Amino acid sequence: GDQVEQSPSALSLHEGTGSALRCNFTTTMRAVQWFQQNSRGSLINLFYLASGTKENGRLKSTFNSKESYSTLHIRDAQLEDSGTYFCAAEGASSSFSKLVFGQGTSLSVVP
Amino acid sequence: AQTIHQWPVAEIKAVGSPLSLGCTIKGKSSPNLYWYWQATGGTLQQLFYSITVGQVESVVQLNLSASRPKDDQFILSTEKLLLSHSGFYLCAWTLDRGYEQYFGPGTRLTVL
Repeated sequence: GDQVEQSPSALSLHEGTGSALRCNFTTTMRAVQWFQQNSRGSLINLFYLASGTKENGRLKSTFNSKESYSTLHIRDAQLEDSGTYFCAAEGASSSFSKLVFGQGTSLSVVP
Repeated sequence: AQTIHQWPVAEIKAVGSPLSLGCTIKGKSSPNLYWYWQATGGTLQQLFYSITVGQVESVVQLNLSASRPKDDQFILSTEKLLLSHSGFYLCAWTLDRGYEQYFGPGTRLTVL
């Protein structure tokens, strides 16, 4: 079935620095979403991409369906960026919106 | 604007007891609705989806059932809880296949 491999599993950043998260897909995906899960458990929508690149403030995401991967870049990290980040993808052959989630990246931003 | 509510916020239940969790969507007619489960420290797994009233499809078998009694309501239930049912349950909605999914605030369930 559809699989999503997310890396890294954990990441520590100093304030003001940046890094990238990556998700690799084992099958062709129609679209990808990126979420931030906060300490209360709420999932905050960051990006929805069917292709290409989107940018929002200090975040940028790319989805390459041909090469089966997506990335989330964080720049100028702030303390409030801490949390768990998930990518989730919808299989191209899925008959309904079946989102398959990656294992998550636990991000800790430190002063 | 669309809003999604889940109830209760948290539950502590005994093994073998029944469970009913609810989800309501306001501001959107005929949404596609989903239930997800997340083990503590784990990832999310889709459990059920519903495209219309009275129709529910199971994605993963976890000794749970779901129903959609109204267009804006999605219910997750079981008659007999297991320890393995503990975790975080999230409801989500989308316009249709191929659209962005939006999640509710979740219900934290502890089974003792």
